[in-house]
Amino acid sequence: DIQMTQSPSSLSASVGDRVTISCRASQGIRNDLGWYQQKPGKAPKRLIYGASSLESGVPSRFSGSGSGTEFTLTISSLQPEDFATYYCLQHNSYPRTFGQGTKVEIK
Amino acid sequence: EVQLVESGGGLVQPGGSLRLSCAASGFSFSDYYMDWVRQAPGKGLEWVGRSRDKANGYTTEYAASVKGRFTISRDDSKNSLHVQMNSLKTEDTAVYYCVRGYQFDSWGQGTLVTVSS
Repeated sequence: DIQMTQSPSSLSASVGDRVTISCRASQGIRNDLGWYQQKPGKAPKRLIYGASSLESGVPSRFSGSGSGTEFTLTISSLQPEDFATYYCLQHNSYPRTFGQGTKVEIK
Repeated sequence: EVQLVESGGGLVQPGGSLRLSCAASGFSFSDYYMDWVRQAPGKGLEWVGRSRDKANGYTTEYAASVKGRFTISRDDSKNSLHVQMNSLKTEDTAVYYCVRGYQFDSWGQGTLVTVSS
């Protein structure tokens, strides 16, 4: 199984901060990775697909990068509505696996 | 607009069975792979399994934790996805999400399954 190691597990940040979340795959997954945002009591929402493509309707302050084993989700200027938990997901091989999540909290 | 609506969750005793359904609308259901993903209370996301489309023989894949106990099926004539869950364990307690597509692009709101005596 491919292990997805996400870091940090949580972070505290202020509105306007630049935030970076990392995801490392235990083996190469090309660019078969998505990033998801989940708010309490809600379903996850896809933000990024193909490691770096922005989902339609998602603000441009979100961006993704990486390929192979190292991936990054960046929020260029954190907004109040961005406080949530973020997950990466690899869909390169079975079983599909998620990172353990990064909770972004208000500082 | 893509809509995925799960149903069938509830309280079941360990060793029991439950069948979840997902009603899909707003897209050509028969053309899509469909997945189930679950989330235990306060925990992260866990992939459960997949149903491929007709073109790929409706074949399925499962996580090791549910293989042999869960069976995913679909009815393209009714735009519906199902998961039959047998021999349920307390660790199967979770919100179960129906998810569209090879790249997990759209999610339902989830249905809660509680396995407890």
